Amino acid sequence: SQQGEEDPQALSIQEGENATMNCSYKTSINNLQWYRQNSGRGLVHLILIRSNEREKHSGRLRVTLDTSKKSSSLLITASRAADTASYFCATPNSGYSTLTFGKGTMLLVSP
Amino acid sequence: DGGITQSPKYLFRKEGQNVTLSCEQNLNHDAMYWYRQDPGQGLRLIYYSQIVNDFQKGDIAEGYSVSREKKESFPLTVTSAQKNPTAFYLCASSLGQGGVGELFFGEGSRLTVL
Repeated sequence: SQQGEEDPQALSIQEGENATMNCSYKTSINNLQWYRQNSGRGLVHLILIRSNEREKHSGRLRVTLDTSKKSSSLLITASRAADTASYFCATPNSGYSTLTFGKGTMLLVSP
Repeated sequence: DGGITQSPKYLFRKEGQNVTLSCEQNLNHDAMYWYRQDPGQGLRLIYYSQIVNDFQKGDIAEGYSVSREKKESFPLTVTSAQKNPTAFYLCASSLGQGGVGELFFGEGSRLTVL
C-alpha cells in the first residue's frame, strides 16, 4: 500500500542551485521521514518531522510539513555533486508498526 | 561499529531454488524489517518482526519466509514459489516501532535469478 508519493520523479540541477522535492500522502500521520539512497546502497535517514512541527532544519536540509494539505517538501540548498541520490519520503502505517515508502525522487547534481 | 550487515551482497540463483539472505544487527534493536526494491519503484514491505519469535507479513509476503530466533538476526528465505524474485533486498531495524522512529538500513543484497 503506497502512502507517500514524491514529485518530481527526477530532477536535474547544477551545483550551487537549490533542489526541492515534494511528498503527498493520504491518511493522517503523526510524523513523516525523509531518506536518501545512493545508487546500489542502503537508505540513510535524513530527518523526521512530527505533525505538530511545520518546519525543521538540518544543515543544508529544510523540511516542511502541511498536515492540512497532507504534503511535505524537502529543500536542499546549495546543492553539491555529492547530493546526487534518490530521496524518499516515508510515512507510518495505520498501526505505526512500519514505514511505507514512496517511489522516490532521483536527483542529479551536475558539476 | 554498530550497524546492520547483509550478506551476500550479490547472489545468483537458478529457477526453482530456495535462497536465504542474511541480516544481522548489533544495535540492540527490537524490530527488524525486510523490504524489496525494484527498478523505479519504492520499497515494498515483505515481513517485519517486532520481537524475538514473532513476525508479521507485510504487503508482499507470498513466496518468502522468515525466522526470528535471535534478537540480532532476521534471515529471509526466497522460495521457489516467488514468481519474480530478481530484485534488491533491504533489511532494516529500529529501536522501537518502525512507524515512530528512524529505520537503520543495511547495504542490501541483490538477487538475480538466471
